[in-house]
Amino acid sequence: AQSVTQLDSHVSVSEGTPVLLRCNYSSSYSPSLFWYVQHPNKGLQLLLKYTSAATLVKGINGFEAEFKKSETSFHLTKPSAHMSDAAEYFCVVHTGGFKTIFGAGTRLFVKA
Amino acid sequence: DTGVSQDPRHKITKRGQNVTFRCDPISEHNRLYWYRQTLGQGPEFLTYFQNEAQLEKSRLLSDRFSAERPKGSFSTLEIQRTEQGDSAMYLCASSLGTTDGKQYFGPGTRLTVT
Repeated sequence: AQSVTQLDSHVSVSEGTPVLLRCNYSSSYSPSLFWYVQHPNKGLQLLLKYTSAATLVKGINGFEAEFKKSETSFHLTKPSAHMSDAAEYFCVVHTGGFKTIFGAGTRLFVKA
Repeated sequence: DTGVSQDPRHKITKRGQNVTFRCDPISEHNRLYWYRQTLGQGPEFLTYFQNEAQLEKSRLLSDRFSAERPKGSFSTLEIQRTEQGDSAMYLCASSLGTTDGKQYFGPGTRLTVT
């Protein structure tokens, strides 16, 4: 069975400090993994995706994620948080066809 | 690329009424998905179309829910005899027929059942 666990429901950082949002997955297949961001009153936006080409994936707005098969993790990072990064972030696993499973989300707060 | 659009953006209805939502996908996308998102949770898969064929329905989709995608273009999601538990954000997404799973989401329709 496929599943996604986001280890923190809320993360709070100060502007200019690093961001780490943690995600573990479980999949019987080689999954495609994604991070999406959801700002209030806006649609889900794709940040980045992993599809086995490289373990370190660069996304938009300075975000990166590293796929670690041995740890079944796909953590999202950013070196320096900006106020505009405050949003809900979802880790997503896709195992082919239609099957897409979202994590419960991590709310990122950025303090001035 | 005009993006995925959904209508209406907000719907308030009384318990027992029927509601219908519309989703217009990106024009060249042959796959269309419906999700439901409740407060504090990630989106949950409801149903999936490839062109006009509905290929999968989640167990979350009770008999009161029906979805269509005539002619493989826009899609509608109807909820009959709404219940308070149906209050949620209903999201639509579309994608090309590739295997990487990348989906483009609409802004959603927020349903409130009073």
